Amino acid sequence: GIQVEQSPPDLILQEGANSTLRCNFSDSVNNLQWFHQNPWGQLINLFYIPSGTKQNGRLSATTVATERYSSLYISSSQTTDSGVYFCAVQAQGGSEKLVFGKGTKLTVNP
Amino acid sequence: DTEVTQTPKHLVMGMTNKKSLKCEQHMGHRAMYWYKQKAKKPPELMFVYSYEKLSINESVPSRFSPECPNSSLLNLHLHALQPEDSALYLCASSLQPRPYEQYFGPGTRLTVT
Repeated sequence: GIQVEQSPPDLILQEGANSTLRCNFSDSVNNLQWFHQNPWGQLINLFYIPSGTKQNGRLSATTVATERYSSLYISSSQTTDSGVYFCAVQAQGGSEKLVFGKGTKLTVNP
Repeated sequence: DTEVTQTPKHLVMGMTNKKSLKCEQHMGHRAMYWYKQKAKKPPELMFVYSYEKLSINESVPSRFSPECPNSSLLNLHLHALQPEDSALYLCASSLQPRPYEQYFGPGTRLTVT
């Protein structure tokens, strides 16, 4: 099945810093989503981005489908950005299954 | 509105109990999902319902029994669980099975004693 790798596994920042999270996948996809999981377990949709670039406030995401990667960029980080960021994909020609990477745990210190 | 609701938020049950988890969405979505998430791990798919029919069962033990009574409601019936089944159970829905965006509920944190 499709493999999803996220990097880095852990990231510690000072408030106000910028960061880039990476997601590599092993096969063509027709769905790619970025989520933020808060400390209470809620998975919050950040982006649905099988290709192209999107921006939402301080967050932006880019997926280059031909090179099989996606990046999530967080600017001017805040303590509320802390949590785990997951990339999840559905393989093109595959099932409805959304396959998650192992996540990046982000800690933003004041 | 992109809300998926789940009840209860927390559940503690013994190994001989029978309980059910409930998930509801009113977005007109025709695909619904159950995921299981252990601590410090990513969510893992358990079941997919597509147009109220079970389309994927990821080799889940029979002590977990899903049910989709209608297009808005998804249940997960639990019986004779083991302590290792303690986890966060997440429900999700999407407009159609693929390749549409999935929206997750807040989850039920289950502890089996």
